[in-house]
Amino acid sequence: DGGITQSPKYLFRKEGQNVTLSCEQNLNHDAMYWYRQDPGQGLRLIYYSQIVNDFQKGDIAEGYSVSREKKESFPLTVTSAQKNPTAFYLCASSMRLWGYEQYFGPGTRLTVT
Amino acid sequence: GNSVTQMEGPVTLSEEAFLTINCTYTATGYPSLFWYVQYPGEGLQLLLKATKADDKGSNKGFEATYRKETTSFHLEKGSVQVSDSAVYFCALSPKDTGRRALTFGSGTRLQVQP
Repeated sequence: DGGITQSPKYLFRKEGQNVTLSCEQNLNHDAMYWYRQDPGQGLRLIYYSQIVNDFQKGDIAEGYSVSREKKESFPLTVTSAQKNPTAFYLCASSMRLWGYEQYFGPGTRLTVT
Repeated sequence: GNSVTQMEGPVTLSEEAFLTINCTYTATGYPSLFWYVQYPGEGLQLLLKATKADDKGSNKGFEATYRKETTSFHLEKGSVQVSDSAVYFCALSPKDTGRRALTFGSGTRLQVQP
C-alpha cells in the first residue's frame, strides 16, 4: 500500500531538548511538506521541499530545521529555539509542487514540558 | 496573494439533513481546488477535487462544483450521517509558480447529531 508514514504517533520531550520527527513516503512524490496544527486551528506551513537536497522555509520556520537527502524521507527537527513546540505536526507529499493534491500522514502529537 | 475563506463553524445538523459548507477563494489564474476532511486526532484526507472551471468533484456522497464566476467551491451532501462529524478544509493550489503550494481555509467543524 502506498502512503505516508509518520512516527511516532505521540512524542514527549523535556524543554531544551531537540527532537526529530520522522516522515516517509512511498508514493514516488517529488514534493514534501511539514505543517503545524494547534488545537482548533488550521494548518501552518513550516517547511517544504520540491526535490531532493532542496527545501524552503514556510510561514513559521523559526526554531525548526529539515533535511531532504532522499526522495522518500523528509525529517523535521524541532529545536530548543522553538518557543512553543507543543503541537500536532503533519507531513504531506504531492507529485509536484503546484496544482496537485497533497496526501497527508497520520500526524505526530508532540508534547514538551 | 491567494486566499481561501470558509464559513465559520461549528455547523450542527441532525442526521439526514442537507449540508452546505461555503468556500470562496481569491487567486490569479485558475487554481486547482480541494476539500479535505480531518477526523479527531488524525491527518487530513483528500475528500474531493476539481481542476478547472465547471468541474464537479464528488466522493462518498459529497459534491462541490468549481464556479469561476463566483470564485466558489461550496461543499454539499444531501443526507449527512453521524460519521460525517469532522473538520472540513477547503484549499487551493495554483497551477504555476507561487510561494505557497497549497492555501487552506481555516476549517469548518461539522457536528451531526443522531
